[in-house]
Amino acid sequence: DAGVTQSPTHLIKTRGQHVTLRCSPISGHKSVSWYQQVLGQGPQFIFQYYEKEERGRGNFPDRFSARQFPNYSSELNVNALLLGDSALYLCASSYEVYGGYEQFFGPGTRLTVL
Amino acid sequence: DAKTTQPPSMDCAEGRAANLPCNHSTISGNEYVYWYRQIHSQGPQYIIHGLKNNETNEMASLIITEDRKSSTLILPHATLRDTAVYYCIVRVNDMRFGAGTRLTVKP
Repeated sequence: DAGVTQSPTHLIKTRGQHVTLRCSPISGHKSVSWYQQVLGQGPQFIFQYYEKEERGRGNFPDRFSARQFPNYSSELNVNALLLGDSALYLCASSYEVYGGYEQFFGPGTRLTVL
Repeated sequence: DAKTTQPPSMDCAEGRAANLPCNHSTISGNEYVYWYRQIHSQGPQYIIHGLKNNETNEMASLIITEDRKSSTLILPHATLRDTAVYYCIVRVNDMRFGAGTRLTVKP
């Protein structure tokens, strides 16, 4: 079975631009979560979606948005990019949102903002 | 706003057991204890999780104290490939990572 996949692998943008990152969960998983990992720190929670509805949001500005599609894939959008948005963006999927169901992570998208 | 405390770094000799501690003194009754590890800049890898009882799988064992305020991840026979950052997380729904423990396995 394929694991969580993310695209693109790497991305370079300039300040002020917009970016869309994509995630395909493990087959059968209905929940997708997004994380930002800045170099040297642990992943920081951005969003959690389940059955196309937002179930949780971390402490990120409104420039960050996401959505989940009927096939459970997800997009993370970031507007008006800042230099500080440079990071590894991770997607994780799980069968359910509840704590007993483990989340499995994708390889991440490395975003560089110049 | 991680709810766990871990030592920033630990060393372990190859072939020996690695015991990684985690304090989660404010854990709630419905929060699970999860362990992940991250090698270089790859996505975090799930290791094990538990609620109240000790757990064991092919990768590791998880020992949770009776009061659930702390836990220990045990890698029974550490190899060089176990060198990674290990994260302990308490979770109901979403996961809040701390800084983790950087484990270095030495020959």
